[in-house]
Amino acid sequence: GGIITQTPKFLIGQEGQKLTLKCQQNFNHDTMYWYRQDSGKGLRLIYYSITENDLQKGDLSEGYDASREKKSSFSLTVTSAQKNEMAVFLCASSMWDNYAEQFFGPGTRLTVL
Amino acid sequence: QQKVQQSPESLTVSEGAMASLNCTFSDGTSNNFRWYRQHSAKGLEVLVSIFSDGEKEEGRFTAHLNRANLHVSLHIREPQPSDSAVYLCAVSPPSYGSSGNKLIFGIGTLLSVKP
Repeated sequence: GGIITQTPKFLIGQEGQKLTLKCQQNFNHDTMYWYRQDSGKGLRLIYYSITENDLQKGDLSEGYDASREKKSSFSLTVTSAQKNEMAVFLCASSMWDNYAEQFFGPGTRLTVL
Repeated sequence: QQKVQQSPESLTVSEGAMASLNCTFSDGTSNNFRWYRQHSAKGLEVLVSIFSDGEKEEGRFTAHLNRANLHVSLHIREPQPSDSAVYLCAVSPPSYGSSGNKLIFGIGTLLSVKP
C-alpha cells in the first residue's frame, strides 16, 4: 500500500498573495494530478504530470503554476489568490495507464480573506 | 468535451434498503468509468471501476454500464449509516498521445442512510 500526503491541511491567504500547496506520494506512481473541488461544481483538473519534470495543463490551469520536482512530489502554486475564494484542492496519483486507479490525498482547504 | 451528470442530487434511504445512483455522460466512446465515495472533509475512495458494458460487482457495490444509452449506475446493497457520503461518478475518455489518464467528474450525489 501507499499514501498521499498533502500540506498544509488548511491554508488561509490574502487577496493577491502567491500560495503554494504540496503533495507527496510513496506509491512510486508515474502520474500525479491536481484537482480543484468547489461546492456545486465537482472536481476539475488543474494540472497533471506524467513523469518527473513533465507538466500538462488541465481544464482549469489559468491562475496556477505547477512543479514536479521529483517523481514523488508535485506542487501547485496559486499565482494570485482571489478574494472570497474557497475551495478544496485534491492531489492524486496513478500509474501511467488508461485503466490505472487514481488514488487521492485528503485535500488542502483554501480560504482567501 | 465529455460531460458527466449525476442524479439525484441527494438521496435518503433506510438502512438495508437498496440505494441506486445514476450517471449520464455525453461521449459514448469512453471506455473507463469509476465510482468514488467521499466522506465529509476527506479524500476520495474508489468503489468500482468498469471498462465494458454490463455489470461489475465489488462487495456491496455494483456498477451497471450501458454505453449505447450513455448511462452508468451504482447500486449499493444493504446500505449502512457509515455509507452516508457523497458519491462521485468519473469518466475517462480515450487517451490520445500524452493526454494521460484524465478523469471528468460529475457533481456528486449526497447519500444519507437512516438507521
